[in-house]
Amino acid sequence: EVQLVESGGGLVQPGGSLRLSCAASGFTFSDHYVDWVRQAPGKGLEWVGRTRNKVSSYTTEYAASVKGRFTISRDDSKNSVDMQMNSLKIEDTAVYYCTRLEGGGRGWYPIDYWGQGTLVTVSS
Amino acid sequence: DIQMTQSPSSLSASVGDRVTITCRTSQGISNYLAWFQQKPGKAPKSLIYAASSLQSGVPSRFSGSGSGTDFTLTISSLQPEDFATYYCQQYNNYPLTFGGGTKVEIK
Repeated sequence: EVQLVESGGGLVQPGGSLRLSCAASGFTFSDHYVDWVRQAPGKGLEWVGRTRNKVSSYTTEYAASVKGRFTISRDDSKNSVDMQMNSLKIEDTAVYYCTRLEGGGRGWYPIDYWGQGTLVTVSS
Repeated sequence: DIQMTQSPSSLSASVGDRVTITCRTSQGISNYLAWFQQKPGKAPKSLIYAASSLQSGVPSRFSGSGSGTDFTLTISSLQPEDFATYYCQQYNNYPLTFGGGTKVEIK
């Protein structure tokens, strides 16, 4: 059974930092890209960023709203993905979801599995 | 960025009704469109990818169609467990973008 379990959410002050983790199980992690998607309270879904796999040189992509502040990394030996969030803003308050893409390598892949999410609250 | 316009933003329907939700993109995306279902307080669930392919385990009353800029999600006979919010997403241009959502409520 595919499982994605996020952790690391919590309350942080504006300008602060937080590190989210996503632990994956039930599939060959190294075969898949992973995206982070967030949802502000009462709002819609927003794509945050992507980590590709070894086949694609572990490259990353980011939404403009987080580029330069968030860094996504992965450790295939631990089947995990981290997202380091720095210089946090009030508007970063959201539930953050770790998602698995259907594949990895050349081509475009849809999200097929979602984690349960972890809440990040940025407030003074 | 590709803009995603979903309509309607909400609808009321009865069990057994046929429901159609549309998603229009600001530029052509071939068939790189996905649909997701989200119930209150829960993570989204993947329903459809490549505009018309059902994810594993998704009931056949769900179907998707379209290509280019115009897409539809159809629920052929609405069931009680289908009351939720539905989102479309394009996934072949960065940044990936989602529609604003369609809330399907009980009439």
